[in-house]
Amino acid sequence: NAGVTQTPKFQVLKTGQSMTLQCAQDMNHNSMYWYRQDPGMGLRLIYYSASEGTTDKGEVPNGYNVSRLNKREFSLRLESAAPSQTSVYFCASSEWGGSYTFGSGTRLTVV
Amino acid sequence: AQSVSQHNHHVILSEAASLELGCNYSYGGTVNLFWYVQYPGQHLQLLLKYFSGDPLVKGIKGFEAEFIKSKFSFNLRKPSVQWSDTAEYFCAVKPGNTGKLIFGQGTTLQVKP
Repeated sequence: NAGVTQTPKFQVLKTGQSMTLQCAQDMNHNSMYWYRQDPGMGLRLIYYSASEGTTDKGEVPNGYNVSRLNKREFSLRLESAAPSQTSVYFCASSEWGGSYTFGSGTRLTVV
Repeated sequence: AQSVSQHNHHVILSEAASLELGCNYSYGGTVNLFWYVQYPGQHLQLLLKYFSGDPLVKGIKGFEAEFIKSKFSFNLRKPSVQWSDTAEYFCAVKPGNTGKLIFGQGTTLQVKP
């Protein structure tokens, strides 16, 4: 099925550990995004990639890095996880200016 | 800073009741407007969108929204809710020529059978 695929779906990390969240889309969209969702705060943009080869900071980039590996894939890396990064992470893709398609999310717990 | 405000954080309704969820945004220029729905345990799905034209927009599952430019509002409505409408609803705004969506805090809707 066409869409946005995120892996893993669940992850528990210890403080200080690192990990990479993977995201791939097969809709040939130019733009991809990483959001985090926290109760009562909606979705906040972490990083985005308007097109292959470009990445930019969003609203809450601290503690994260991203890589736009190719047009299909956009990964999010936590170099040293902190409890404040416990959240649900959503990847999305779109044509620039168009509607977003979201992945199913990664529920991350940092202990 | 650009922001989106959803007035109600938690709404409880009985089946067949009418629904209106408020959404206001702070941006003076051209905007694209969206409502997304997130059913329990699922990802966000597009409910409806406004880009231009008729300010009354109809979406899936009987939902509609009205863009009132003078009030910077994009309220979501449904005449008669069902138990299956229990979900979290997010208003989102895309200002100007940016590709970035700015989300409101979300409204949790609970429909009692």
